[in-house]
Amino acid sequence: GDSVTQMEGPVTLSEEAFLTINCTYTATGYPSLFWYVQYPGEGLQLLLKATKADDKGSNKGFEATYRKETTSFHLEKGSVQVSDSAVYFCALSDLGMRFGAGTRLTVKP
Amino acid sequence: DSGVTQTPKHLITATGQRVTLRCSPRSEDLSVYWYQQSLDQGLQFLIHYYNGEERAKGNILERFSAQQFPDLHSELNLSSLELGDSALYFCASSVDSGTNEKLFFGSGTQLSVL
Repeated sequence: GDSVTQMEGPVTLSEEAFLTINCTYTATGYPSLFWYVQYPGEGLQLLLKATKADDKGSNKGFEATYRKETTSFHLEKGSVQVSDSAVYFCALSDLGMRFGAGTRLTVKP
Repeated sequence: DSGVTQTPKHLITATGQRVTLRCSPRSEDLSVYWYQQSLDQGLQFLIHYYNGEERAKGNILERFSAQQFPDLHSELNLSSLELGDSALYFCASSVDSGTNEKLFFGSGTQLSVL
């Protein structure tokens, strides 16, 4: 079935560093792709999404582009802040949203 | 605050027991999803209900069952509990059942089976 693979964490960066979290997917059709973020003690929140190939989702300085040719949806941010420390999940829409394993990001001042 | 309410927040029980987790979706949402989050399995989709009817099943064990009531709240029943069932159980809701839908997550119920 459809699935999502994320880069292993944890990831530790200094404030203002560039962030990339890799995500690739396997799907028989053309799913929508999502990034969700989970802050400590909370449920997941939608960060951004893209519904078709070459779409770019963006929110709060984060971006991800739906690349059909490489089946990827990598998350990027040009300058991370301490407040971005959280767990990030890549997901695709299927019968129920399918999530990757999650990547924990810690940003140090 | 996502608007999705889960109760209880924490549950401690013993092996072999049965528990019920409750989820109240946002007022405008017809879909409810259940997920299990554990360190070794990650975030696993269990089941999806739309307007009272089961829409899709994921990795849900036969010992687990769920339902969505006419007022759209949902309950997840876990029986014959095992140590390995200890996990964080999330409920999420969305307006519709389409694949582009944004999910709104509750804060979860932390289940500990001793």
